[in-house]
Amino acid sequence: EAGVAQSPRYKIIEKRQSVAFWCNPISGHATLYWYQQILGQGPKLLIQFQNNGVVDDSQLPKDRFSAERLKGVDSTLKIQPAKLEDSAVYLCASSLGSNGGGTEYEQYFGPGTRLTVT
Amino acid sequence: KQEVTQIPAALSVPEGENLVLNCSFTDSAIYNLQWFRQDPGKGLTSLLLIQSSQREQTSGRLNASLDKSSGRSTLYIAASQPGDSATYLCAVRTDSWGKLQFGAGTQVVVTP
Repeated sequence: EAGVAQSPRYKIIEKRQSVAFWCNPISGHATLYWYQQILGQGPKLLIQFQNNGVVDDSQLPKDRFSAERLKGVDSTLKIQPAKLEDSAVYLCASSLGSNGGGTEYEQYFGPGTRLTVT
Repeated sequence: KQEVTQIPAALSVPEGENLVLNCSFTDSAIYNLQWFRQDPGKGLTSLLLIQSSQREQTSGRLNASLDKSSGRSTLYIAASQPGDSATYLCAVRTDSWGKLQFGAGTQVVVTP
């Protein structure tokens, strides 16, 4: 079974430029998550999709960050314009997803995209 | 608001010693707790998932305990090896949609 795919793996941009990250979840996984992990910290959830609907985007800086999940499969996270403090690893994860308390929401992570803003 | 803390932030042990990693959380109303491993430049790999109704979970040399009432979990790694060197993160599931709240992790170095 193929894992969660992300691209690019690395990106260096200047502040005020824009950047986009792509994620392809595990086939059949309804739930998709984007996390931001700043060096030395744990991942912080930015946005969560259930199929192509947003479940939680409470920690997404909506003035500069946007995300979409068209057709409930692939997802794109965009930053425009980037700031120095956006330098981080952006992780995508997916889970089967169902409204229960079992392992249906066990998350599987991609390798991440390391963003450096100069 | 749920807060997850991992102490110590870093740990170094000689090969063969047992590792003990701690995780604490402030709100006991969790669905489950997961332990992850993160290697430099890589994503997260799930090690163990403990449901809120369970007390412990085991996989090979790994054993994780959960005391929900006191807000604590401990990950034990028996007979550590240099290949166990990584950052270990714990995370608690806080809602019915699977949202995870992570700790900052413990960076482990196992010296030969």
